[in-house]
Amino acid sequence: SQKIEQNSEALNIQEGKTATLTCNYTNYSPAYLQWYRQDPGRGPVFLLLIRENEKEKRKERLKVTFDTTLKQSLFHITASQPADSATYLCALDHNYGQNFVFGPGTRLSVLP
Amino acid sequence: GAVVSQHPSRVICKSGTSVKIECRSLDFQATTMFWYRQFPKQSLMLMATSNEGSKATYEQGVEKDKFLINHASLTLSTLTVTSAHPEDSSFYICSARETSGGSTDTQYFGPGTRLTVL
Repeated sequence: SQKIEQNSEALNIQEGKTATLTCNYTNYSPAYLQWYRQDPGRGPVFLLLIRENEKEKRKERLKVTFDTTLKQSLFHITASQPADSATYLCALDHNYGQNFVFGPGTRLSVLP
Repeated sequence: GAVVSQHPSRVICKSGTSVKIECRSLDFQATTMFWYRQFPKQSLMLMATSNEGSKATYEQGVEKDKFLINHASLTLSTLTVTSAHPEDSSFYICSARETSGGSTDTQYFGPGTRLTVL
């Protein structure tokens, strides 16, 4: 069966450290993968998109990797700040990009 | 970036009534909009895909007669929850795809609508 998993429901790290979130999928063949941030009671906000032929993508303090062999994406936030505390969702393209399937999310808490 | 709005942001209604939620793309045209439902501490579940000028495509298990979707223009889609019941209480989020002709168009999400059915 098709499945998307994110490493943990919740992750606590100390301010200044690098947060690493994992997204694993089974029985999907996405052409690309996206990461979103969602704050409580709000809609998701798009952060980064990485295509299947790209190994790594960066945007400011964010870095995403995509390994289609391992069927895994890693999302890194360097020099984390309390303001980075939120739920982070990965999403795979589905039906040839017609829609997306979301992972369950990881709730990140950056402690001061 | 592209902005998507939803109205209302919060609604409380009695069981048996119908509720309409609007989703608008404010500064771009969206031929495709999506409606999601999210229960507490769970991820987004796609309910339906709405294409301007045609009937919506519903995901398996979503009742099309209960969740009426209308995508009358390139900037507006509405979701009507008919004869709402307490189990329909949820966070409803829409998104709009900014069409650039490629297969990796980004979805922009609205702020969500919290529906509580008493």
